[in-house]
Amino acid sequence: EVQLVESGGGLVQPGGSLRLSCAASGFTFSYYSMNWVRQASGKGLEWISYINNSSSAIYYADSVRGRFTISRDKAKNSVYLQMNSLRDEDTAVYYCARGTMIDWGQGTRVTVSS
Amino acid sequence: DIVMTQTPTSLSVTPGQPASISCKSSQSLLHTDGKTYLYWYLQKPGQSPQLLIYEVFSRFSGVPDRFSGSGSGTDFTLKISRVEAEDVGVYYCMQGIHLPRTFGQGTKVEIK
Repeated sequence: EVQLVESGGGLVQPGGSLRLSCAASGFTFSYYSMNWVRQASGKGLEWISYINNSSSAIYYADSVRGRFTISRDKAKNSVYLQMNSLRDEDTAVYYCARGTMIDWGQGTRVTVSS
Repeated sequence: DIVMTQTPTSLSVTPGQPASISCKSSQSLLHTDGKTYLYWYLQKPGQSPQLLIYEVFSRFSGVPDRFSGSGSGTDFTLKISRVEAEDVGVYYCMQGIHLPRTFGQGTKVEIK
């Protein structure tokens, strides 16, 4: 069974940083690209970052480029999202998703507020 | 960026009746490999999104056959042949041909 388990969310002040993690199991992690998608409360889905299976291709949404960094660790079967210079508008539930969003984690909530 | 436009924004359906959701993309989703990268997801209340349909018409594992996808190029449709209570939630289409991935704004399906 495929499992994606996000962690690392929480309350942070504007300008602060958080690192999200997504632990993957139940599939061959090194075969798949991974994504981060977020959803503000009551809003739709916003794709924010992609990393291919070898980490050779990385993409970001304009809204987070220059502030967020995606990475992956094949030894730990995990993907990460380092979030710096956080803004109020980054408040959302953050999901990791496998491949072309085949499977999704349960999400981790990030709240940016003073 | 490819803009995905879904209609309607909400739908109230009597159990056992059909439902249909339209999704239009601002560019063709037909790849040079011959596949069309259009996906449908359902986000049930309080849950993560789940994949229903991939590449326009292929049902994901475990998805009931009352769900069907159709379309080509830039115009796509998700149909539910007979809506059941468990089908409530928000439906999203997504294009998978280009980065950034983009989603439709969602269609909320409720039961009458």
